Amino acid sequence: AQSVSQHNHHVILSEAASLELGCNYSYGGTVNLFWYVQYPGQHLQLLLKYFSGDPLVKGIKGFEAEFIKSKFSFNLRKPSVQWSDTAEYFCAASSLNAGNNRKLIWGLGTSLAVNP
Amino acid sequence: GAVVSQHPSWVICKSGTSVKIECRSLDFQATTMFWYRQFPKQSLMLMATSNEGSKATYEQGVEKDKFLINHASLTLSTLTVTSAHPEDSSFYICSAPLIRGAGNTIYFGEGSWLTVV
Repeated sequence: AQSVSQHNHHVILSEAASLELGCNYSYGGTVNLFWYVQYPGQHLQLLLKYFSGDPLVKGIKGFEAEFIKSKFSFNLRKPSVQWSDTAEYFCAASSLNAGNNRKLIWGLGTSLAVNP
Repeated sequence: GAVVSQHPSWVICKSGTSVKIECRSLDFQATTMFWYRQFPKQSLMLMATSNEGSKATYEQGVEKDKFLINHASLTLSTLTVTSAHPEDSSFYICSAPLIRGAGNTIYFGEGSWLTVV
């Protein structure tokens, strides 16, 4: 079955710590991958996306993610987090295959709390 | 656990007709729901914030008379695409936050794929 799994449901870090949030997908065929962030009280915002090309994708606010096809992974990283990075992070995948595979599949999300 | 359900998952309609998409929070009450749209090979675009008992807040460039949002109860928000045209064909998804104490968990519907022919 098609699925996206995020490894950590809750993460607590201190400022300046490094961040890596895991995301694995289970999808056949070509896949598009996304990381979204939702700050408290706000709507979803796109952090970064991977469609093709360079597997290391750089997004906004210093985030990056690496697509590793052999591991079916798309982990999100940031070298040094800030208190303002406290938010919910969602990994999502969308297949380019026709028919039912066009539906977005979402991970359950990871709640990140950064202590000042 | 908490679930947000969308209906229908797939809908095909004729150009000029209207179609309604429902978003329900099944185990919790949601005073706010968000409606998104996704074009092929693009990311989600926020269309509007649906507020229970009051008018929705639309994002810039989204026609409120074309995309009617109604949030009449704490568990149901509807998006009606009026006088649909082929360019309205897209993937629509809703989300609702479940607020617990100081934090909240965001739940998403499964999405609705609209094709206008």
